[in-house]
Amino acid sequence: QVQLVQSGAEVKKPGSSVKVSCKASGGTFSSYTISWVRQAPGQGLEWMARIIPILDMANYAQRFQGRVTITADKSTSTAYMELSSLRSDDTAVYYCARETSSSAFDIWGQGTMVTVSS
Amino acid sequence: DIVMTQSPDSLAVSLGERATINCRSSQSVLYSSNNKNYLAWYQQKPGQPPKLFIYWASTRESGVPDRFSGSGSGTDFTLTISSLQAEDVAVYYCQQYYPTPLITFGQGTRLEIK
Repeated sequence: QVQLVQSGAEVKKPGSSVKVSCKASGGTFSSYTISWVRQAPGQGLEWMARIIPILDMANYAQRFQGRVTITADKSTSTAYMELSSLRSDDTAVYYCARETSSSAFDIWGQGTMVTVSS
Repeated sequence: DIVMTQSPDSLAVSLGERATINCRSSQSVLYSSNNKNYLAWYQQKPGQPPKLFIYWASTRESGVPDRFSGSGSGTDFTLTISSLQAEDVAVYYCQQYYPTPLITFGQGTRLEIK
């Protein structure tokens, strides 16, 4: 059974950066596509970026270009999402999710709460 | 970007009755090379990540009850719950995933019991 387990909650100051991890178990990590989706409190879902570890290829939503970096470590089956220049409106739950061959997200991490506050 | 618009924003339905949620895309999500609609539906309950219910617009994910069905093509899609159960109370999101690499979600529809 494939699982995605994310790192714990973070509290950050405005202007700083945060790096969230997503460790996969129970499958072949390098063959996955892993996306990052965030959800502000009481709000909807927003896709941020994806990475295909086997190709070392990443795509980013335009609004996050230049501020988010996603990477993958195939040796540890872990994907990372780093968001810089944090603002208060970056306060959200950040999810990683596996993208299937049909390009829907069938497996999700448990979510990581990132709070940006001075 | 493709904009996904769901209607209604919230919906209250009696137990055992039919619930219908609509999703409209600003551009067609039908991929001509394989004739598939790149449209998915998710259910999200409080404090939980979303759960995939429908992909390819009408294919149920394994384990999803058959009272849930998806329909539509091109730009207009519908999620139908044929007989609402108490455990179906949740927020439902549609999502398009074509053309890649951009993915967008609808704003969500909150489903409650009347």
